[in-house]
Amino acid sequence: ETGVTQTPRHLVMGMTNKKSLKCEQHLGHNAMYWYKQSAKKPLELMFVYNFKEQTENNSVPSRFSPECPNSSHLFLHLHTLQPEDSALYLCASSPAGAGEQETQYFGPGTRLLVL
Amino acid sequence: GQNIDQPTEMTATEGAIVQINCTYQTSGFNGLFWYQQHAGEAPTFLSYNVLDGLEEKGRFSSFLSRSKGYSYLLLKELQMKDSASYLCAVRDSNYQLIWGAGTKLIIKP
Repeated sequence: ETGVTQTPRHLVMGMTNKKSLKCEQHLGHNAMYWYKQSAKKPLELMFVYNFKEQTENNSVPSRFSPECPNSSHLFLHLHTLQPEDSALYLCASSPAGAGEQETQYFGPGTRLLVL
Repeated sequence: GQNIDQPTEMTATEGAIVQINCTYQTSGFNGLFWYQQHAGEAPTFLSYNVLDGLEEKGRFSSFLSRSKGYSYLLLKELQMKDSASYLCAVRDSNYQLIWGAGTKLIIKP
């Protein structure tokens, strides 16, 4: 248990569906991240929020829409996804700042399958 | 471009020692991380190196050579529970984490 929870753990959706992924951290951190993890590929950073403000958007398609209502919660809204979006979506948090304090702590991920 | 290289898969025997290498080419360097990820679970932090040399934490050690752009993770007295993927990540000059694809370690009895 890392202090970062994600729901749902598994999700199957059609290309016309709308769904949301939820992440919650109980570590008092100020930065939160969304990553995409595909088989045998490096983690792909999607979005970064620092003190609820989006500070990074790595050219992610608009069918992925993040929301950060407070420093403890992060959502990823999904709509009209493509089969190639099937992957493990990981949420992480960090204290915010440089040095070892910037270690990221990950949630267990949501395994997404787009049909 | 920025790149992290690590072997795709390694196999070792229970009780033995294994070394997982990581080489990197990044724009700047502000530390190197190793994470462990069991199948279907969250990556968990193992170690952090920012200065050259060896950092030891129980059965796990991590080494860094900044001049060579090289790190390794050394696992001693291997146990079956060590079967997992090991992810190397480097923080670049913009404090972004650049990730390797991970090394899947298979431990055999």
